[in-house]
Amino acid sequence: DGGITQSPKYLFRKEGQNVTLSCEQNLNHDAMYWYRQDPGQGLRLIYYSQIVNDFQKGDIAEGYSVSREKKESFPLTVTSAQKNPTAFYLCASSTALGGEDTEAFFGQGTRLTVV
Amino acid sequence: QKEVEQNSGPLSVPEGAIASLNCTYSDRVSQSFFWYRQYSGKSPELIMSIYSNGDKEDGRFTAQLNKASQYVSLLIRDSQPSDSATYLCAADSPDDKIIFGKGTRLHILP
Repeated sequence: DGGITQSPKYLFRKEGQNVTLSCEQNLNHDAMYWYRQDPGQGLRLIYYSQIVNDFQKGDIAEGYSVSREKKESFPLTVTSAQKNPTAFYLCASSTALGGEDTEAFFGQGTRLTVV
Repeated sequence: QKEVEQNSGPLSVPEGAIASLNCTYSDRVSQSFFWYRQYSGKSPELIMSIYSNGDKEDGRFTAQLNKASQYVSLLIRDSQPSDSATYLCAADSPDDKIIFGKGTRLHILP
């Protein structure tokens, strides 16, 4: 089945640790996105990528890093510089770039908690 | 003005009635719009997309786009308790981002 897989579903991070959230898609989508959602809030864009080996900062990129070495994969690293990382992280993908059929499809999300 | 704006609600609608959800957008977005439904603790699911002025119907759902007034709406007919969720309006942007509103919480009253 085609889809987007995020792992792990739940993740606990100690203060000062870097952690990496995985996102894999087999939809052959060019664009991939990472969003953060806090309780009762909308989705805020962290990073996005339209093509392999290229990515752009979103609205809240500080304290996060990404890579796009393969079309199928877009991992997100939450670094120790992110002072308030506890949130629900959502990865999404879409076909390219503008026009019709550009809707995003989401993975199941990763809930990150700082302990 | 934010790029995509929604009333956070909650919006309470009796079961069987029509729920009307609204979203306004700025000039900083492109012309593709999307409605997502998100249940508590789950990821958003796409309900409908709309690109052209006018109405688009899919089952109990109708999306309406008015480019002159810069709003997009979602109507849910014959509302069911299972429709209770947060509804997110989204739009794509000229720099290829997909931008979300903060969502409207909908409660269907049995």
